[in-house]
Parts: sequence; C-alpha cells; structure tokens
Amino acid sequence: DIQMTQSPSSVSASVGDRVTITCRASHDISTWLAWYQQKPGKAPKLLIYAASTLQSGVPPRFSGSGSGTNFTLTISSLQPEDLGSFFCQQANRFPQTFGQGTKVEIK
Amino acid sequence: QVQLQESGPGLVKPSQTLSLTCTVSNGSISSGSYFWSWIRQPAGKGLEWIGRMYISGTTNYNPSLQSRVTMSVDTSKNQFSLRLSSVTAADTAVYYCARDLGLFRGNALDIWGQGTMVTVSS
Repeated sequence: DIQMTQSPSSVSASVGDRVTITCRASHDISTWLAWYQQKPGKAPKLLIYAASTLQSGVPPRFSGSGSGTNFTLTISSLQPEDLGSFFCQQANRFPQTFGQGTKVEIK
Repeated sequence: QVQLQESGPGLVKPSQTLSLTCTVSNGSISSGSYFWSWIRQPAGKGLEWIGRMYISGTTNYNPSLQSRVTMSVDTSKNQFSLRLSSVTAADTAVYYCARDLGLFRGNALDIWGQGTMVTVSS
C-alpha cells in the first residue's frame, strides 16, 4: 500500500494566519491527490482534487500544490470556520489510502 | 444536489455479517461515470478506504478486507450496499458511503453520507 504521511499532526494558529499542511507519499502518485476537511462529528468534505483543482464552492483561500511524492495544502488566511481535521488521500493505486490527519485549531 | 444516506444496524455481534445500504437521492445512481464507495473511520482515528463499485458491477476492494467484503448495487432502488462478514471488534467504526468522481477528476470523493456508527459487540 502507498503510505501517506502528513505533517504537522496539529497546528494552532490565529485568524488571518497562513497555514500550510504537507503530505508525503511513499511512492510517486503523480497528481492523484485530494484534500478533505472534516469537522467534529461530520463527514469529510472535498476541498481539492488532482492535487491543485479547487472543488466547486470551496473558498479560494484554500489551495493545493505538488506532484510526485510531495504535496501541500495552504490556507491563505485562516478563518474561524476552518477548524477541524484535514486529510490527504491518494487515488493513484488501490487501495486508496489517507494520511493520518492534521488537526487545525484556532488560537 | 445529490445526497447519500447510510442505513443499517448499529450493533452487530462478533462473527456475524455487517450489512449497510446507501440510498442516493436527488439524482440517479446510474447517471454519469461515477463509482460508489465505502470508507470507515474508527473513533478518533483516520479514514480507511473499504472499496468501490461501478453500476456495471465492477468492484475494487481493499486487499486487507477483500476476503470479507461484498459490494452490490440495486439501480431500481437507487441504492448500493456493503456486506462485511466475520466481523470482530476491530470493525467497529463510523461507516461512510461516498461518490467517487472517477478517472477524469482524480477519483476524488465529492459527496459523502453523514455516516453511520456500527459497533461490534456481543
């Protein structure tokens, strides 16, 4: 299986801060990567697919970049509603696998 | 907007079979080039992809669960289903159904059900 490793595991930032989350794949996955946000008690919500394509309806403060094995999710200006956990997912090979998650807290 | 809703028993005894159904509303399960997926999440842990299927019956399963998993679709009811046999406590989790966008959009999961908690206990 392709292992997905996220860092940091948690981050605490202030409203308006720029937040960056990284995801590393154990094998080259090209741009077969998606990012999700999960709020407590809720299902994950798709933010970005194909590494950098913003899902319809997602605020443009979210952006994704990377290819191969190294990927980044950036929140350009953190908002109170952005709290929750963020997961990366590779869909290059079966089984699809997820990172362990990054918890974002608001200071 | 298409919506998904999981249903099924919240408690399953060890060694028995877990059966869940996902109902698709506000859209046809047969339209578009979508796959229909199952993902689970133990309490406080990460997400595990169980597998997906296409309406033709083509399936892709997680090898770690393949010997115990069966997925099926009922287009007449706009539903797809998951069966997981010989369950143990390790199968206790929130189970989600989701729509997979397919090859042209990175196989991303764009619509999710709200999730249903399944506990394996005697």
